[in-house]
Amino acid sequence: SQKIEQNSEALNIQEGKTATLTCNYTNYSPAYLQWYRQDPGRGPVFLLLIRENEKEKRKERLKVTFDTTLKQSLFHITASQPADSATYLCATASGSARQLTFGSGTQLTVLP
Amino acid sequence: EAGVAQSPRYKIIEKRQSVAFWCNPISGHATLYWYQQILGQGPKLLIQFQNNGVVDDSQLPKDRFSAERLKGVDSTLKIQPAKLEDSAVYLCASSLGQGSNTGELFFGEGSRLTVL
Repeated sequence: SQKIEQNSEALNIQEGKTATLTCNYTNYSPAYLQWYRQDPGRGPVFLLLIRENEKEKRKERLKVTFDTTLKQSLFHITASQPADSATYLCATASGSARQLTFGSGTQLTVLP
Repeated sequence: EAGVAQSPRYKIIEKRQSVAFWCNPISGHATLYWYQQILGQGPKLLIQFQNNGVVDDSQLPKDRFSAERLKGVDSTLKIQPAKLEDSAVYLCASSLGQGSNTGELFFGEGSRLTVL
């Protein structure tokens, strides 16, 4: 079965800098990969999707890349703000019903 | 547009007792999911429904967990009897299913279960 690995340690960065989060997957290449944001005590919220035939996707200050050779996705937040502090989850979709497998998430703290 | 509704938000029970969680998905969403999220981990899929049929329940501990989605709308997840390791947040999510371009899941706020 698919295994998703994200930075296990929390990431602290200074406001205004670019945060880069890593998602690595094992086994087969997923049909697509999604990123979600989760705040404490809340459910995850969808941010971006990138398909296996896409190399990069952008949305405002967010950028996602997908390298099927490295089996890796990178998630960037440019000009980071304290409000970006949250846990970010990576998820891959596979199977006929596109079941999502989530990583354990990376906790990001943006320091003012 | 109303989001995914879940209840109760919090529940504390003794081990070997039973508990039920309820979920009402976004109107028109064909696919409904129950995830278990243990503290410090990512959500783990327990069961996925397409309308009122089960698509995937391979990770559902069927000796103690059951779920149903009558009439293809709201759903109930039951645990009986509960074990200490069932302490977690139970997240319900819904999606348009095949009608979605992004496969985006919309999550509820979750039901936090503590088993003593």
